[in-house]
Amino acid sequence: GQQLNQSPQSMFIQEGEDVSMNCTSSSIFNTWLWYKQEPGEGPVLLIALYKAGELTSNGRLTAQFGITRKDSFLNISASIPSDVGIYFCAGQLGSGGSNYKLTFGKGTLLTVNP
Amino acid sequence: DGGITQSPKYLFRKEGQNVTLSCEQNLNHDAMYWYRQDPGQGLRLIYYSQIVNDFQKGDIAEGYSVSREKKESFPLTVTSAQKNPTAFYLCASSIVSLSDTQYFGPGTRLTVL
Repeated sequence: GQQLNQSPQSMFIQEGEDVSMNCTSSSIFNTWLWYKQEPGEGPVLLIALYKAGELTSNGRLTAQFGITRKDSFLNISASIPSDVGIYFCAGQLGSGGSNYKLTFGKGTLLTVNP
Repeated sequence: DGGITQSPKYLFRKEGQNVTLSCEQNLNHDAMYWYRQDPGQGLRLIYYSQIVNDFQKGDIAEGYSVSREKKESFPLTVTSAQKNPTAFYLCASSIVSLSDTQYFGPGTRLTVL
């Protein structure tokens, strides 16, 4: 089946630093999604990408859909303590039948030291 | 407020007992999903449903059962056949369209003693 490799597994940074994480896939996806999960809560959608090469921002967050459609990255600029959490990437092949199933990476645990 | 609710937040059961986790949404979404999350792991799909009275197995359906009698509700039963049921269970829903973004509920943590 499809697999997503998400890296790094964890990051420990100082407040104010920029953060970068990425996901790579063994196969093509038509949609890339980035979620953030805080302890004991469900994931919250941060950014959705629908087109190869697309670069989308949401406040201090920027994500890109790779040209090959096999990768995506998420950047967080000027990190703050409330950025702490687990960030997941997810890929979706497309609509129709089982193609809308999401495949998730294993997550990047972000810790921000004030 | 529109959203997805899961209850209870924490659930404890004895080994060998079946247990049903609730998931309700008032977003008028057609599709609903159940995922399982274990520490340090991504989310794994248990079951999904695109329409009322229809559902499909996901990647780890063994030991679980679901029903979809109403559009708003998609309960998950963890049966005694599930060998390692202790986990965090997440329900999600989406509009079935070209951009099927899934939105998640707050989760239920099940502990089997």
